[in-house]
Amino acid sequence: AQSVTQLDSQVPVFEEAPVELRCNYSSSVSVYLFWYVQYPNQGLQLLLKYLSGSTLVKGINGFEAEFNKSQTSFHLRKPSVHISDTAEYFCAHDSSGSARQLTFGSGTQLTVLP
Amino acid sequence: GAGVSQSPSNKVTEKGKDVELRCDPISGHTALYWYRQRLGQGLEFLIYFQGNSAPDKSGLPSDRFSAERTGESVSTLTIQRTQQEDSAVYLCASSFPSGQTTGELFFGEGSRLTVL
Repeated sequence: AQSVTQLDSQVPVFEEAPVELRCNYSSSVSVYLFWYVQYPNQGLQLLLKYLSGSTLVKGINGFEAEFNKSQTSFHLRKPSVHISDTAEYFCAHDSSGSARQLTFGSGTQLTVLP
Repeated sequence: GAGVSQSPSNKVTEKGKDVELRCDPISGHTALYWYRQRLGQGLEFLIYFQGNSAPDKSGLPSDRFSAERTGESVSTLTIQRTQQEDSAVYLCASSFPSGQTTGELFFGEGSRLTVL
């Protein structure tokens, strides 16, 4: 069975500091990786996705993630965070290529402090 | 509306009662998913509908859980004889047919269920 591990449940960081949210997935033949963000009182929305090609993926709001096959990781980064980035971030993995059953991690709460 | 709509947003019920949760997907999205999110945990897949095909019910935790969808529109998730462990946020998502896009699900805000 697929699994996705988000190593940090809570990440506090000061405004304008860089941040990295870690994600590891269980190895599979096909790899499709996603980061979703859930702002307070809102539904999850797609932040970025890796399907194929370049291992560095850029998403909305200045976020990017790097697919590392050898380390089975897909860490999310932003060089300078804003208060408005405070949200819960979910990493997800799909090995079927059809989105039938995305496997989600348990989430990382990013809190940006003034 | 433009997004996935879920109701009720909050539901408090007594143990043993039945509850119904509703999801109205984005128009044109033929795929619909239900997930459960318990406090401090990731999203747990429950059921998947794709057009008129038989639903994938492999994630339903027990026979107290059932879901229906009429065509490519509204879906209802029913939990019978609720138990305290059913307390969670139930999330609905929709997408284009899964063969056309990969992984981009559009989520509603969820229905928070509390069983006393």
